[in-house]
Amino acid sequence: NAGVMQNPRHLVRRRGQEARLRCSPMKGHSHVYWYRQLPEEGLKFMVYLQKENIIDESGMPKERFSAEFPKEGPSILRIQQVVRGDSAAYFCASSPGSTNTGELFFGEGSRLTVL
Amino acid sequence: AQSVTQPDIHITVSEGASLELRCNYSYGATPYLFWYVQSPGQGLQLLLKYFSGDTLVQGIKGFEAEFKRSQSSFNLRKPSVHWSDAAEYFCAVGYYNNNDMRFGAGTRLTVKP
Repeated sequence: NAGVMQNPRHLVRRRGQEARLRCSPMKGHSHVYWYRQLPEEGLKFMVYLQKENIIDESGMPKERFSAEFPKEGPSILRIQQVVRGDSAAYFCASSPGSTNTGELFFGEGSRLTVL
Repeated sequence: AQSVTQPDIHITVSEGASLELRCNYSYGATPYLFWYVQSPGQGLQLLLKYFSGDTLVQGIKGFEAEFKRSQSSFNLRKPSVHWSDAAEYFCAVGYYNNNDMRFGAGTRLTVKP
């Protein structure tokens, strides 16, 4: 009974490179959320997706960041032309429904380091 | 604006002592309230949640939390802390859509032997 799977767990990139973070939700879950956690800070909502749809991207930076959740395969958070300030832990969470279930199931996170 | 405040960044307690972690929220309506725990290098695990009804909720690992509307608080408690409870604890507040969930900055718990 696999939980939310994120990979890679650790990713190192140089400034200007691209980072791709993948998230496979729990079996039966069709809703995916991405959060960013900076050192000494809480989790900041980035984006909420359902299969093939972005529902809410109000927390996504306007430039360089994009997310998708295709019909087949994992959700992907893509960061283009990374900068040092992008260094953070990125957490994916999933849920079976968008409302009133309350609980989000989190992956173990992908830790991005930008040199 | 909606916000979640965890006033204590770091708390140290002795093993066997009682614990209370504070959480205050600012929200426009009756919120859904959650406490999550994060062990080092791990994701977040739900400890307990409050939607409605009894304001004292029981969670896993012996934790409980009480919703006090008048104080806009949802403090987490445990009568006797174990060394394995050392972790980071996050309070979260949501409304009727999960994508509106907001997290506090977290409280790091250290347990002394």
